[in-house]
Amino acid sequence: EVQLVESGGGLVKPGGSLTLSCAASGFTFSSYSMYWVRQAPGKGLEWVSSISSSSSYIYYADSVKGRFTISRDNAKNSLYLQMNSLRAEDTAVYYCASPAATDAFDIWGQGTMVTVSS
Amino acid sequence: SYELTQPPSVSVSPGQTASITCSGDKLGDKYASWYQQKPGQSPVLVIYQDSKRPSGIPERFSGSNSGNTATLTISGTQAMDEADYYCQAWDSSIVVFGGGTKLTVL
Repeated sequence: EVQLVESGGGLVKPGGSLTLSCAASGFTFSSYSMYWVRQAPGKGLEWVSSISSSSSYIYYADSVKGRFTISRDNAKNSLYLQMNSLRAEDTAVYYCASPAATDAFDIWGQGTMVTVSS
Repeated sequence: SYELTQPPSVSVSPGQTASITCSGDKLGDKYASWYQQKPGQSPVLVIYQDSKRPSGIPERFSGSNSGNTATLTISGTQAMDEADYYCQAWDSSIVVFGGGTKLTVL
């Protein structure tokens, strides 16, 4: 079964750090770019970051540039998002997503909630 | 930065056709995708490359894209289609989502 499973969310104070993980299974993880997308409570989807299959190309939304770092370990079929200097506006459900069968996001994880609050 | 604009809400009666638009500068020159999201669930891809349906998506979902507007059409709308719908496109290597449209079936 094709699957993405996020973990690592939780409650963190403003200015704090958190690392999210996304475990992939059921498809050739190393062949595909991977993405993080977030959704603040009651709001729409917001792209956060992208990483190419070999990590050669990495992109960030302006809202997280300089604070978040995306990475992957193809040997472990895993995607990561290191989040530093967290702000209240980073509070959201964070999804990992992949275009495994199409050129759009046809696989989504269940999401992991990140709450930034004192 | 590139922006995609959707109407906040669309209403449709059961069995009728619902159309949700997504507008962006020269959007027709890009591929548009559409996602359905029900409360408490992850998004689901319903249309990619403007008009293609992934495996398992009902035929009542269709899409088009021309000029500055992409359109998701749901024919014979069912109560189960009530959800938020998001369009998405790429601007170079940047992913862009529309603000989302809440489809109400009443």
